[in-house]
Amino acid sequence: EAGVVQSPRYKIIEKKQPVAFWCNPISGHNTLYWYLQNLGQGPELLIRYENEEAVDDSQLPKDRFSAERLKGVDSTLKIQPAELGDSAVYLCASSLGPATDIQYFGAGTRLSVL
Amino acid sequence: GQQVMQIPQYQHVQEGEDFTTYCNSSTTLSNIQWYKQRPGGHPVFLIQLVKSGEVKKQKRLTFQFGEAKKNSSLHITATQTTDVGTYFCALRAGNMLTFGGGTRLMVKP
Repeated sequence: EAGVVQSPRYKIIEKKQPVAFWCNPISGHNTLYWYLQNLGQGPELLIRYENEEAVDDSQLPKDRFSAERLKGVDSTLKIQPAELGDSAVYLCASSLGPATDIQYFGAGTRLSVL
Repeated sequence: GQQVMQIPQYQHVQEGEDFTTYCNSSTTLSNIQWYKQRPGGHPVFLIQLVKSGEVKKQKRLTFQFGEAKKNSSLHITATQTTDVGTYFCALRAGNMLTFGGGTRLMVKP
């Protein structure tokens, strides 16, 4: 069974440019998470989807970040415009359901903003 | 919001020594999960604890959930070089999920 797939693995952009990350969760997983992980720190939740509905986006900086989950499957996370401080690893995870389920993480996208 | 403290931040041990990381919450938890992230890798689920006072074992790893469901620990007996990585607790209280800052374990052969 395929795991959570993320692309690209690495992205280098100049500040003020837009960038997008893509995530394909494990088949059948209703819940999808986007996390930001800075070096030496734990993952910080940006947004959580239950099917196609964003149920927790309180930590998403909505002035520059946006996300969508079309048809409750794949998801994209976009930053426009990117700032230097956005350099981090962006992790996608999925789980069968919301409450107590195990999260399966993708390999992440490492973003460098120059 | 929910506060999570995970200690220590770093731990160097000689291979064969024991290791323990602690996770403390400011609120009563629904459950707690532990994840391991190898250098350059992504977090991988280890275990979930739900009941007050619960103790679970996985080979050399022992996980414990506090009686008040506000803290947890992970203990590794006789560390090996394959144990190297960062261990994170993830706390769930209601619909809130918060990861601790992690404990980075380094093992000298």
